[in-house]
Amino acid sequence: DAGVTQSPTHLIKTRGQHVTLRCSPISGHKSVSWYQQVLGQGPQFIFQYYEKEERGRGNFPDRFSARQFPNYSSELNVNALLLGDSALYLCASGDYGYTFGSGTRLTVV
Amino acid sequence: EDQVTQSPEALRLQEGESSSLNCSYTVSGLRGLFWYRQDPGKGPEFLFTLYSAGEEKEKERLKATLTKKESFLHITAPKPEDSATYLCAVQDNSGYALNFGKGTSLLVTP
Repeated sequence: DAGVTQSPTHLIKTRGQHVTLRCSPISGHKSVSWYQQVLGQGPQFIFQYYEKEERGRGNFPDRFSARQFPNYSSELNVNALLLGDSALYLCASGDYGYTFGSGTRLTVV
Repeated sequence: EDQVTQSPEALRLQEGESSSLNCSYTVSGLRGLFWYRQDPGKGPEFLFTLYSAGEEKEKERLKATLTKKESFLHITAPKPEDSATYLCAVQDNSGYALNFGKGTSLLVTP
């Protein structure tokens, strides 16, 4: 079985641009969560979606948004990128014992 | 607000030298305490979930324990391949988010 897949693996964006990150959960999992991990810190919760509905939101500005599709895959969108948005963005699948993908490394220059 | 504090921040061990990592937490109703292993540039890899004080779980050289205020990850006779960052996270009764500590960076030398 495929695990949690995220794309792209790396990308570089310029301040002020917009970015879309993608995640496919483990087959059969209806819940997807997004986390931001800054270097040297633990992951920080951004969103959780279940059955296409937002179930929880962390302490992130409105520049961050997400959605979940009928096939349970998900997108994380970040507008008006700041240098401080540079981080590893992690997607987690599952309703309780979460399985993480390998992440997308975003660098904002 | 949930808080998770891990110590030490970094730990260097000789191969075979056993030790413990600490995770202190405060949470309004613990639903679960999670341990993950993370290699550089990778996503966290699930190790254990503990649900109630007194619970213990083992996997190879790792053993996790839980009290009402803290959890320990005991590493017995570590090998260099155990080198990684170990993350602790709590989930409260609201049910969704994992609240992570900053992690303990473990280096095991031959």
